Amino acid sequence: QVQLQESGPGLVKPSETLSLTCTASGGSISTSSYHWGWIRQSPGKGLEWIGSIYYSGTTYYNPSLKSRVTMSVDTSKNQFSLKLSSVTAADTAMYYCVRHVWHSGWFYFDYWGQGTLVTASS
Amino acid sequence: QSVLTQPPSVSGAPGQRVTISCTGTSSNIGAGYDAHWYQQLPGTAPKLLIYVNNNRPSGVPDRFSGSKSGTSASLAITGLQAEDEADYYCQSYDSSLGGSVFGGGTKLTVL
Repeated sequence: QVQLQESGPGLVKPSETLSLTCTASGGSISTSSYHWGWIRQSPGKGLEWIGSIYYSGTTYYNPSLKSRVTMSVDTSKNQFSLKLSSVTAADTAMYYCVRHVWHSGWFYFDYWGQGTLVTASS
Repeated sequence: QSVLTQPPSVSGAPGQRVTISCTGTSSNIGAGYDAHWYQQLPGTAPKLLIYVNNNRPSGVPDRFSGSKSGTSASLAITGLQAEDEADYYCQSYDSSLGGSVFGGGTKLTVL
């Protein structure tokens, strides 16, 4: 069974870059069957898909965040990462790393990390 | 305002049946993209509940079922139990927006 664990700073200053890493265990991220990515949830709000990455490095980003998002993968460490630049208070949220399953033209999300709360504040 | 529309809340007594609707448009569910459902228990991460409209992952009780018709999808829960009290989210793909979209979530209260 795959387990996902987010790590990174819980506090980021406005205008700076949020950086998170997800470590996968119980399975390799280099499998051809899955993509990997991030979803966030603002306090008391709904879910927002941020983006997805394949082990080869192919990415899909939410168009509303695309200009600020960079995702990368390190297969040697079984990790993938998220960078979100120029953060504002609106980026304060619980960030989940998630395994993506490709089906009929898009994804659903079958394994989720426990989440890490990131607050954008000075 | 979420792209997929869900009722903010539903409720039911133990043992009853409840349904949660997820209304989309011609650029998402209505375009033929699949609907998926997630359950978020208080203080925990969401969990996949129904995938590809009407499929249950291993371990999800058959009290939970999904359906899709036209521009909408629905989640039905029968034999309601106290442990079902949670937030439920639908998800699909939107071709106009070019990415995954979620409903705003529905809070289920077991009376």
